Amino acid sequence: GQSLEQPSEVTAVEGAIVQINCTYQTSGFYGLSWYQQHDGGAPTFLSYNALDGLEETGRFSSFLSRSDSYGYLLLQELQMKDSASYFCAVSSEGQKLVFGTGTRLLVSP
Amino acid sequence: DTEVTQTPKHLVMGMTNKKSLKCEQHMGHRAMYWYKQKAKKPPELMFVYSYEKLSINESVPSRFSPECPNSSLLNLHLHALQPEDSALYLCASSQDEVSGYNEQFFGPGTRLTVL
Repeated sequence: GQSLEQPSEVTAVEGAIVQINCTYQTSGFYGLSWYQQHDGGAPTFLSYNALDGLEETGRFSSFLSRSDSYGYLLLQELQMKDSASYFCAVSSEGQKLVFGTGTRLLVSP
Repeated sequence: DTEVTQTPKHLVMGMTNKKSLKCEQHMGHRAMYWYKQKAKKPPELMFVYSYEKLSINESVPSRFSPECPNSSLLNLHLHALQPEDSALYLCASSQDEVSGYNEQFFGPGTRLTVL
């Protein structure tokens, strides 16, 4: 089977840095993606890691360790608008995307 | 145009009704997807179409019937649904890569309620 585990909820204040972890067990692995979803909205793509290491895109960075089956999303300079659910997702069998359990991020003033 | 559109936004149907959900993209993507999402849960893959052919069916009950009339359109035909099928149905598209990078673009979804 396939499983991706994330913390269910993370809270932080504006301007802070937060890390959302993802551990996975999958039968096939091409890469790890991160998606953001606001309440009532559609998931939107944030980042993708196929190789070990850190990828930086503005305030967001994503890390992958294939040997540890582990990745994280790092959000810096948090803003109120970052309050949303964040999903890691494993790409396997080419087009198939399996989503993690999701982490609800609450940013307070 | 980097948008995936879905209609209708909301749908209420009885268990004996037949209805269809529609999805459209004009990004030239050759892979399209249907997901089901329950409240506070992750999206769950239902179907994948690649070059207008069904490539993945995640053991979805036959009361859900997908159709891909052309490379821009994806339909989901619904018949004899159960109340537990009430959920947000998301359509997505991506460039058809055999492996690797697979950014998916999601539509806003259809919120379905089955009475």
